[in-house]
Amino acid sequence: GEDVEQSLFLSVREGDSSVINCTYTDSSSTYLYWYKQEPGAGLQLLTYIFSNMDMKQDQRLTVLLNKKDKHLSLRIADTQTGDSAIYFCAESIREDKIIFGKGTRLHILP
Amino acid sequence: NAGVTQTPKFQVLKTGQSMTLQCAQDMNHNSMYWYRQDPGMGLRLIYYSASEGTTDKGEVPNGYNVSRLNKREFSLRLESAAPSQTSVYFCASSEAWTGFYEQYFGPGTRLTVT
Repeated sequence: GEDVEQSLFLSVREGDSSVINCTYTDSSSTYLYWYKQEPGAGLQLLTYIFSNMDMKQDQRLTVLLNKKDKHLSLRIADTQTGDSAIYFCAESIREDKIIFGKGTRLHILP
Repeated sequence: NAGVTQTPKFQVLKTGQSMTLQCAQDMNHNSMYWYRQDPGMGLRLIYYSASEGTTDKGEVPNGYNVSRLNKREFSLRLESAAPSQTSVYFCASSEAWTGFYEQYFGPGTRLTVT
C-alpha cells in the first residue's frame, strides 16, 4: 500500500546543515511536499518539488528527489533555532489522498 | 484573510459525551479535510469533502460524522466520545491545479476524553 516513511528525530548544532530524509512507495505522485509544524500550530507548506525534477533550491532549503529509489530529502543550510519544528514529508496521489509521513522532529543544539 | 479557523482550541469531554468541532475557511476552496494527529502516528485522515454536499471516509472514520454545511464550513461530530479519541484534530482545505494540492491547515483542536 501507499506509505511515506521518515525518521522521527534529528538533532543538529546551530549553524550546521540539517538533512531530513523520506522514502515513499507510490511512484505515480505528481508532486512531493515538505510541510513544517511549529509547536502548537497546524502544518504549513514549506516547499515542494515536481516529480520530473531532481533538485529544487529555495534560499536555505534544498530538496533532492531520487525517483528511482523513491527517496526525497530536505536540506536546511545554516540551521537556526527558529528551524526547530516537526517536518512532514508528503505525496499527493489524488485530491482526496495525500499521504503524510509521521514527521521528523528537528532539535537544534546550541 | 483568516485562512482556516477552528473552534474550540481546547476541549475536555467525559466518555459518552458528544461534541461538534467547527471549521471554516475563507479561501473559497472546494476541498476540506479533517485529520487527527497522535504522537508517533503522524496525520491520519478522518473524512474528506471534495465539494459542497459531498463527503467521503478517510483512513479512520469510525466514531465520527461530518457535515459540509456550505462551501466555507466543514464540521466534525463525535456522537459518543471515547478515550481513544483523545487527540489533536486539524481541519485543512485545498484547491487543486494540475495535481498540485497545497493544503492549508487550521491551528488545531486539542481534545481530551476522560
